[in-house]
Amino acid sequence: GAVVSQHPSRVICKSGTSVKIECRSLDFQATTMFWYRQFPKQSLMLMATSNEGSKATYEQGVEKDKFLINHASLTLSTLTVTSAHPEDSSFYICSARDSQAPYEQYFGPGTRLTVT
Amino acid sequence: DAKTTQPNSMESNEEEPVHLPCNHSTISGTDYIHWYRQLPSQGPEYVIHGLTSNVNNRMASLAIAEDRKSSTLILHRATLRDAAVYYCIQDSNYQLIWGAGTKLIIKP
Repeated sequence: GAVVSQHPSRVICKSGTSVKIECRSLDFQATTMFWYRQFPKQSLMLMATSNEGSKATYEQGVEKDKFLINHASLTLSTLTVTSAHPEDSSFYICSARDSQAPYEQYFGPGTRLTVT
Repeated sequence: DAKTTQPNSMESNEEEPVHLPCNHSTISGTDYIHWYRQLPSQGPEYVIHGLTSNVNNRMASLAIAEDRKSSTLILHRATLRDAAVYYCIQDSNYQLIWGAGTKLIIKP
Protein backbone atom coordinates (compact mmCIF):
# COMPACT_ATOMS: atom_id res chain seq x y z
CA GLY A 1 0.00 0.00 0.00
CA ALA A 2 0.89 3.66 -0.25
CA VAL A 3 3.32 4.99 2.33
CA VAL A 4 3.54 8.40 3.94
CA SER A 5 6.54 9.25 6.08
CA GLN A 6 7.08 12.00 8.61
CA HIS A 7 10.30 13.38 9.95
CA PRO A 8 11.18 13.72 12.73
CA SER A 9 9.13 11.21 14.69
CA ARG A 10 9.87 13.03 17.95
CA VAL A 11 11.24 16.48 18.67
CA ILE A 12 11.86 18.44 21.83
CA CYS A 13 12.46 22.16 21.50
CA LYS A 14 12.72 25.17 23.74
CA SER A 15 10.02 27.76 23.99
CA GLY A 16 10.43 30.50 21.37
CA THR A 17 12.22 28.37 18.80
CA SER A 18 10.82 27.08 15.49
CA VAL A 19 10.40 23.48 14.44
CA LYS A 20 9.92 22.07 10.95
CA ILE A 21 8.09 18.79 10.32
CA GLU A 22 8.30 17.05 6.94
CA CYS A 23 5.63 14.90 5.35
CA ARG A 24 6.49 12.81 2.29
CA SER A 25 4.45 10.54 0.06
CA LEU A 26 6.94 7.82 -0.83
CA ASP A 27 5.35 5.96 -3.72
CA PHE A 28 2.61 8.19 -5.07
CA GLN A 29 1.96 11.78 -5.97
CA ALA A 30 -0.19 13.89 -3.70
CA THR A 31 -1.58 17.18 -4.91
CA THR A 32 -3.34 17.54 -1.58
CA MET A 33 -1.94 16.91 1.88
CA PHE A 34 -3.56 17.54 5.24
CA TRP A 35 -2.10 18.50 8.61
CA TYR A 36 -3.77 17.38 11.82
CA ARG A 37 -3.10 17.91 15.50
CA GLN A 38 -4.09 15.43 18.17
CA PHE A 39 -4.08 16.03 21.92
CA PRO A 40 -4.03 13.09 24.36
CA LYS A 41 -7.19 10.98 24.36
CA GLN A 42 -8.79 13.19 21.71
CA SER A 43 -9.62 12.78 18.06
CA LEU A 44 -7.67 14.30 15.21
CA MET A 45 -8.29 17.98 14.53
CA LEU A 46 -7.73 19.23 11.01
CA MET A 47 -5.41 22.23 11.00
CA ALA A 48 -4.99 22.95 7.31
CA THR A 49 -5.25 21.61 3.79
CA SER A 50 -2.13 21.93 1.72
CA ASN A 51 -2.30 22.04 -2.08
CA GLU A 52 0.80 21.69 -4.19
CA GLY A 53 1.89 24.98 -5.65
CA SER A 54 -0.65 27.13 -3.83
CA LYS A 55 -1.34 28.56 -0.40
CA ALA A 56 -2.67 26.31 2.30
CA THR A 57 -6.23 26.61 3.54
CA TYR A 58 -6.39 26.90 7.31
CA GLU A 59 -9.23 25.81 9.56
CA GLN A 60 -10.93 28.35 11.76
CA GLY A 61 -8.89 29.16 14.84
CA VAL A 62 -5.55 28.00 13.39
CA GLU A 63 -3.03 30.82 13.07
CA LYS A 64 -1.49 30.73 9.61
CA ASP A 65 1.46 32.90 10.68
CA LYS A 66 2.29 30.48 13.48
CA PHE A 67 1.85 27.25 11.54
CA LEU A 68 3.57 27.79 8.22
CA ILE A 69 2.81 25.21 5.55
CA ASN A 70 4.73 24.72 2.35
CA HIS A 71 3.80 22.18 -0.32
CA ALA A 72 6.46 22.77 -2.93
CA SER A 73 6.33 19.40 -4.68
CA LEU A 74 3.91 16.56 -5.31
CA THR A 75 5.61 14.43 -2.67
CA LEU A 76 6.56 16.86 0.10
CA SER A 77 4.73 19.16 2.47
CA THR A 78 6.28 20.86 5.48
CA LEU A 79 4.75 22.30 8.63
CA THR A 80 6.81 24.83 10.58
CA VAL A 81 5.69 25.69 14.08
CA THR A 82 7.12 29.16 14.67
CA SER A 83 7.91 30.61 18.09
CA ALA A 84 6.72 27.44 19.74
CA HIS A 85 5.13 27.53 23.19
CA PRO A 86 4.41 24.67 25.61
CA GLU A 87 0.72 24.69 24.58
CA ASP A 88 1.86 23.74 21.06
CA SER A 89 3.05 20.41 22.41
CA SER A 90 1.00 17.80 20.62
CA PHE A 91 1.01 14.91 18.18
CA TYR A 92 1.10 16.26 14.63
CA ILE A 93 -0.07 13.96 11.84
CA CYS A 94 -0.05 14.51 8.11
CA SER A 95 -2.01 12.69 5.46
CA ALA A 96 -1.91 12.65 1.69
CA ARG A 97 -4.44 11.93 -1.00
CA ASP A 98 -3.29 9.92 -3.98
CA SER A 99 -3.87 12.11 -7.04
CA GLN A 100 -4.92 9.03 -9.00
CA ALA A 101 -7.32 7.76 -6.33
CA PRO A 102 -8.60 10.80 -4.41
CA TYR A 103 -10.96 8.86 -2.17
CA GLU A 104 -8.02 7.15 -0.52
CA GLN A 105 -6.13 9.06 2.12
CA TYR A 106 -2.91 7.79 3.68
CA PHE A 107 -1.60 8.89 7.04
CA GLY A 108 1.91 9.41 8.27
CA PRO A 109 3.12 7.91 11.56
CA GLY A 110 2.92 11.25 13.36
CA THR A 111 5.42 13.59 15.02
CA ARG A 112 5.44 14.07 18.79
CA LEU A 113 6.37 17.69 19.56
CA THR A 114 7.30 18.66 23.09
CA VAL A 115 8.01 22.31 23.82
CA THR A 116 9.82 22.96 27.09
CA ASP B 1 -21.92 20.81 11.31
CA ALA B 2 -21.48 17.35 9.95
CA LYS B 3 -20.67 14.96 12.74
CA THR B 4 -20.49 11.26 13.44
CA THR B 5 -21.37 9.74 16.81
CA GLN B 6 -19.96 6.51 18.20
CA PRO B 7 -19.91 4.78 21.57
CA ASN B 8 -16.90 5.77 23.65
CA SER B 9 -15.76 2.21 24.15
CA MET B 10 -16.68 -1.40 23.51
CA GLU B 11 -15.37 -4.73 24.74
CA SER B 12 -15.25 -8.02 22.93
CA ASN B 13 -13.76 -11.44 23.41
CA GLU B 14 -10.94 -12.65 21.25
CA GLU B 15 -11.98 -14.63 18.17
CA GLU B 16 -15.55 -13.37 18.31
CA PRO B 17 -17.17 -10.98 15.84
CA VAL B 18 -17.34 -7.29 16.71
CA HIS B 19 -19.95 -4.82 15.49
CA LEU B 20 -18.97 -1.17 15.86
CA PRO B 21 -21.88 1.21 15.26
CA CYS B 22 -21.80 4.77 13.96
CA ASN B 23 -24.48 7.39 13.42
CA HIS B 24 -24.03 10.00 10.72
CA SER B 25 -27.47 11.51 10.47
CA THR B 26 -26.31 14.68 8.66
CA ILE B 27 -24.62 12.84 5.83
CA SER B 28 -25.28 14.12 2.33
CA GLY B 29 -25.79 12.03 -0.77
CA THR B 30 -22.21 12.29 -2.00
CA ASP B 31 -20.35 11.88 1.30
CA TYR B 32 -18.40 8.68 1.63
CA ILE B 33 -18.16 6.86 4.97
CA HIS B 34 -14.64 5.93 6.01
CA TRP B 35 -13.36 3.90 8.91
CA TYR B 36 -9.84 4.25 10.25
CA ARG B 37 -8.24 2.83 13.35
CA GLN B 38 -5.42 4.15 15.47
CA LEU B 39 -3.02 2.61 17.94
CA PRO B 40 -1.43 4.81 20.65
CA SER B 41 1.20 7.20 19.30
CA GLN B 42 0.70 6.01 15.72
CA GLY B 43 -0.93 7.49 12.67
CA PRO B 44 -4.41 6.27 11.68
CA GLU B 45 -4.66 3.15 9.56
CA TYR B 46 -7.26 2.84 6.80
CA VAL B 47 -9.81 0.09 7.40
CA ILE B 48 -12.61 0.43 4.86
CA HIS B 49 -14.89 2.91 3.12
CA GLY B 50 -18.21 2.92 1.30
CA LEU B 51 -20.97 5.05 -0.15
CA THR B 52 -24.24 3.12 -0.33
CA SER B 53 -23.63 -0.59 -0.75
CA ASN B 54 -22.15 -2.89 1.83
CA VAL B 55 -18.42 -3.40 1.39
CA ASN B 56 -16.01 -6.20 2.24
CA ASN B 57 -12.24 -6.31 2.31
CA ARG B 58 -9.59 -8.43 3.98
CA MET B 59 -9.78 -6.41 7.19
CA ALA B 60 -13.48 -5.90 7.77
CA SER B 61 -16.98 -5.46 6.39
CA LEU B 62 -19.00 -2.27 6.30
CA ALA B 63 -22.77 -2.41 6.51
CA ILE B 64 -24.48 0.83 5.53
CA ALA B 65 -28.10 1.49 6.42
CA GLU B 66 -30.50 2.04 3.57
CA ASP B 67 -31.07 5.68 4.62
CA ARG B 68 -27.27 6.08 5.07
CA LYS B 69 -27.75 7.69 8.46
CA SER B 70 -25.84 4.92 10.18
CA SER B 71 -23.28 2.25 9.47
CA THR B 72 -21.65 -0.67 11.24
CA LEU B 73 -18.08 -1.83 10.98
CA ILE B 74 -17.83 -5.59 11.37
CA LEU B 75 -14.66 -7.37 12.41
CA HIS B 76 -15.45 -11.00 11.73
CA ARG B 77 -13.02 -12.53 14.17
CA ALA B 78 -11.34 -10.12 16.53
CA THR B 79 -7.76 -10.66 17.60
CA LEU B 80 -5.73 -8.88 20.26
CA ARG B 81 -4.08 -6.87 17.46
CA ASP B 82 -7.46 -5.35 16.63
CA ALA B 83 -7.49 -3.44 19.92
CA ALA B 84 -7.44 0.22 18.87
CA VAL B 85 -9.54 3.37 18.62
CA TYR B 86 -11.85 3.08 15.63
CA TYR B 87 -12.97 6.25 13.92
CA CYS B 88 -16.06 6.56 11.74
CA ILE B 89 -15.59 9.48 9.39
CA GLN B 90 -17.65 11.44 6.93
CA ASP B 91 -15.75 12.30 3.76
CA SER B 92 -17.31 15.58 2.75
CA ASN B 93 -15.91 16.82 -0.54
CA TYR B 94 -12.60 15.03 0.04
CA GLN B 95 -12.27 16.42 3.59
CA LEU B 96 -12.46 13.94 6.47
CA ILE B 97 -14.70 14.96 9.36
CA TRP B 98 -13.59 12.97 12.42
CA GLY B 99 -15.76 11.80 15.28
CA ALA B 100 -14.54 10.97 18.77
CA GLY B 101 -13.93 7.31 18.00
CA THR B 102 -14.66 4.05 19.82
CA LYS B 103 -11.98 2.43 21.91
CA LEU B 104 -12.19 -1.30 21.23
CA ILE B 105 -10.93 -3.53 24.01
CA ILE B 106 -10.31 -7.19 23.19
CA LYS B 107 -10.33 -9.64 26.07
CA PRO B 108 -8.20 -12.77 25.68
